[in-house]
Formats: sequence, structure tokens, C-alpha cells
Amino acid sequence: DIQMTQSPSSLYASVGDRVSITCRASQSISSYLNWYQQKPGKVPKLLIYGASSLQSGVPSRFSGSGSGTDFTLTISSLQPEDFATYYCQQSYTTPATFGQGTKVEIK
Amino acid sequence: QVQLVQSGSELKKPGASVKVSCKASGYTFTSYGINWVRQAPGQGLEWMGWINTNTGNPTYAQGFTGRFVFSLDTSVSTAYLQISPLKTEDSAVYYCARGSGGGWDFDYWGQGTLVTVSS
Repeated sequence: DIQMTQSPSSLYASVGDRVSITCRASQSISSYLNWYQQKPGKVPKLLIYGASSLQSGVPSRFSGSGSGTDFTLTISSLQPEDFATYYCQQSYTTPATFGQGTKVEIK
Repeated sequence: QVQLVQSGSELKKPGASVKVSCKASGYTFTSYGINWVRQAPGQGLEWMGWINTNTGNPTYAQGFTGRFVFSLDTSVSTAYLQISPLKTEDSAVYYCARGSGGGWDFDYWGQGTLVTVSS
């Protein structure tokens, strides 16, 4: 199975900050990498697919980059509604594994 | 609009069984696979497997074989997850999710079904 490792596990940030979360795959997954946002008690929401494509309706302050084994989710200017847990997930092969999550909290 | 609507919360005893439904609407049901994702309390997301809505062929992730069964009723655009016999460690929220792109881009999710297993 392909292991997905996110860093950091949590971070504190302020509104307006630029935030980056990294995700590393245990083997190359080309660009088959998705990012999800989950707020407490809510359903996960697809933000980025194919490493860098923005899902319809997702604000442009979210962006994704990377290929192979190393990927980054960037929020250019953190908004109050962005405080949540973010998960990466590889869609290269089954099992479709998730990272352990990164919790973005208010500083 | 695309919607996946799941059945309500369940409270079950160990050894019992549960069947969670996931009703799809707003798209052609057989054009996209249905995936199942588990989230234990306070934990992350875990992919359980998927079912091909064209063929009905299920694929189970390691750790979800034997007691877990994915099934379909295409006449009502509904996928099902059955767990039997239940164990206390099965207590979790179970999500269905539509598989887009190559099949494992989860673009639409059900609202989740909380299954609590307790004696």
C-alpha cells in the first residue's frame, strides 16, 4: 500500500497568513493527489484534484502543487472559515490511502 | 444537483448487524463508482473499498474483508454497506462517496451515518 504522510500534524495561524501543508507519498503517484477539507462534525469536501486542479466552487486562495512523491497545499490568505482539518489522498491506485490529516487552528 | 443521502444513525449491540444505505440522485448512478470511507471517533479518514455500479463488483481494502459487504440496488440508485457481526471497534461514522476522475477522486459525499456498537 502507498503510505501518505502529512506535515505538520497541526499548525496555528492567523487570519491573513499564508499557510502551506505538505504531503509525501511512499512511492511516486504522478499527479494523482487530492486534497480535502473537513470541518468538525461536517462532511469532507474535495478542494484540489489531480494535484493542482481546483474543484468547482472552491475559492482561488487554495492551490495545490507537486508531482511524484511531494505535494503542497497552499492557502494564500487564511480566512476564518478555513480553520479545519486537511487531508491528502492518493488516487493513483487502490487502496486509496489518506494522509493522517493536518489541523489548522487559530493562533 | 448531485446528492448522496445516507440512512440515519444506528445503535447496535456487539454481534448484531447493520445495513447503511446511500441513495444517489442528480446523476446517472451507473456512471460512477461508490466508495465507502470510515472515520472512527477523533480519527482520520480510512478508505474501506468501492463498488462498481455497472457490474456490482465490490473491492474491499485490507481490514474490511469478511464482515463487510457492499451491495447495490440500481433500480433505486442506492448502494449499501452491511457489517456483520458488529464489534465495538466498528463504532464510527461511515461515509459513501462518489468516485470521479479515475474513480477515486471523491467529489460528492453522503452526510455520514454514525454507527455506535455498545452493549
